[in-house]
Amino acid sequence: DVKVTQSSRYLVKRTGEKVFLECVQDMDHENMFWYRQDPGLGLRLIYFSYDVKMKEKGDIPEGYSVSREKKERFSLILESASTNQTSMYLCASSARGNMYEQYFGPGTRLTVT
Amino acid sequence: QKEVEQNSGPLSVPEGAIASLNCTYSDRGSQSFFWYRQYSGKSPELIMSIYSNGDKEDGRFTAQLNKASQYVSLLIRDSQPSDSATYLCAVLGVGQNFVFGPGTRLSVLP
Repeated sequence: DVKVTQSSRYLVKRTGEKVFLECVQDMDHENMFWYRQDPGLGLRLIYFSYDVKMKEKGDIPEGYSVSREKKERFSLILESASTNQTSMYLCASSARGNMYEQYFGPGTRLTVT
Repeated sequence: QKEVEQNSGPLSVPEGAIASLNCTYSDRGSQSFFWYRQYSGKSPELIMSIYSNGDKEDGRFTAQLNKASQYVSLLIRDSQPSDSATYLCAVLGVGQNFVFGPGTRLSVLP
């Protein structure tokens, strides 16, 4: 079974703080993704990576950055958290040949106060 | 116009009935279509993918694709209370543009 884990289920941070969200997958997948999910807006892609040290912007990259130093780990960074970044953050991974058949982690619910 | 549209629901069906979930998309060049299921408080999981016009069956689930009309649907036969969840349609469009719809909440009543 594919396993995608995220470092925290719930996180509360203050405005202006730097926030790190970690994601690890154990299936040797090449592709990894960060989404946020908000009511009525669905899943929106923030960034994705198709290889170590490679990254591509998704639909809403503003205010975020990512890091992929190892194949199994993909980090999302909020440089200066703002209240409009309060959301559910979901990490996903997929194999090279099936990029859009994605396996999701349990999610991190981030609240910025 | 949103790229992928779904009725937000809730769609309520009695146990044993057929649940029909619909999704329309705007990118006429879209080639690949996916249905994900998301239980409340959980993350999405892939349940079906479909790439060509027509029907694709997997157990109680049938995905239907009509590219000319730009819609894809998911039928769930013999609906069970355990099918109660939000169903997300996802579409891969031109230029590798992958978009999720907002989801339809399904409630199967015992």
